[in-house]
Amino acid sequence: DAGVIQSPRHEVTEMGQEVTLRCKPISGHNSLFWYRQTMMRGLELLIYFNNNVPIDDSGMPEDRFSAKMPNASFSTLKIQPSEPRDSAVYFCASSQDRGKSSYNEQFFGPGTRLTVL
Amino acid sequence: GENVEQHPSTLSVQEGDSAVIKCTYSDSASNYFPWYKQELGKRPQLIIDIRSNVGEKKDQRIAVTLNKTAKHFSLHITETQPEDSAVYFCAASGAVNDMRFGAGTRLTVKP
Repeated sequence: DAGVIQSPRHEVTEMGQEVTLRCKPISGHNSLFWYRQTMMRGLELLIYFNNNVPIDDSGMPEDRFSAKMPNASFSTLKIQPSEPRDSAVYFCASSQDRGKSSYNEQFFGPGTRLTVL
Repeated sequence: GENVEQHPSTLSVQEGDSAVIKCTYSDSASNYFPWYKQELGKRPQLIIDIRSNVGEKKDQRIAVTLNKTAKHFSLHITETQPEDSAVYFCAASGAVNDMRFGAGTRLTVKP
């Protein structure tokens, strides 16, 4: 398995532009997570999906952020319009939900480094 | 929701010494406690984890302890090596997938 795949790996855009980050989870995993990492705030959970359904989006900072998971093998995180303070590394992770009595190791993708000028 | 605190934020040790990183959590329902290592410019990767029915777990030079009563858990690295230098994150998970991470500890092992 190729692991969690994210694209693009680097994105540089200007303030006000729309940014779309993409993620392909590990095949067979039914949970997907979007994280944002900055020096100031560390690793923040933005949203997670279970069986393609958004479960908790309380970490999404503003209405400018939206995430979708149209099928089990693809998710997007969109920022519209983007702002310089959105500059960060965005990680996608996936896990296999084995139920409440089991652990659920999360496997991280390589991340997308976003720079908003 | 779950709140995880991690200390210290930075830790510097001499090669061969031990390193200890401590975390506390708030949700008594949390039952899964993983530790991730993140090297510079790379993704976080799981190095060890522990479940709430276990008090201690070891894997070579790495061990994790869990005190459910006090709601804290710790990572112990013995005989540290320069390649152990990285940022380490603890996390706690209660609901099936509601995992929250600590702020991270930057460990530097001096040769």
